Amino acid sequence: ETGVTQSPTHLIKTRGQQVTLRCSSQSGHNTVSWYQQALGQGPQFIFQYYREEENGRGNFPPRFSGLQFPNYSSELNVNALELDDSALYLCASSPPTGAAYNEQFFGPGTRLTVL
Amino acid sequence: DAKTTQPNSMESNEEEPVHLPCNHSTISGTDYIHWYRQLPSQGPEYVIHGLTSNVNNRMASLAIAEDRKSSTLILHRATLRDAAVYYCILSYRDDKIIFGKGTRLHILP
Repeated sequence: ETGVTQSPTHLIKTRGQQVTLRCSSQSGHNTVSWYQQALGQGPQFIFQYYREEENGRGNFPPRFSGLQFPNYSSELNVNALELDDSALYLCASSPPTGAAYNEQFFGPGTRLTVL
Repeated sequence: DAKTTQPNSMESNEEEPVHLPCNHSTISGTDYIHWYRQLPSQGPEYVIHGLTSNVNNRMASLAIAEDRKSSTLILHRATLRDAAVYYCILSYRDDKIIFGKGTRLHILP
């Protein structure tokens, strides 16, 4: 069983540019969540997608947007990059709801540096 | 969102038990208590969760106070591989978990 994968591993962009990060969820998982982790901090929830619809959003501006595809893979798009967007971006998938509890399975993350 | 309070860091000797505390005095009746850990250069990984009763799994035990205002993650026999940041999190089921800063656990050989 393949776990959660993310691409690219590392990325360097300049202020004002746009970036797309990709996530392949674990087989059979239909919920994907995205997190931003600044250096030395815990992950901060950006948003969650369930069956291709946004299903909750954290305190992030609209320039952070996402998509989930029919195969449940997902993209995180960030427009007009700012220096403070430099962080590790984590994707997590979880299996179909219906169970009493579903743990989240995290990918290794994409390290974004904004210069 | 209900908040948790954890010590910034803890140390333990290898092969000894470790008790990681978490306070959550504003927990609501539907909040689950989750623990995740993050090893260096990796994404977080699930450790254990509970609602009201103490829980055991192959990785750890979770002891929940009777009033649910605090809990303790117990690693029965720490190894060097257990050195990580441990996050105590409250949320309803698995939805939109909100991480704090966690406890950085150092294991001394």
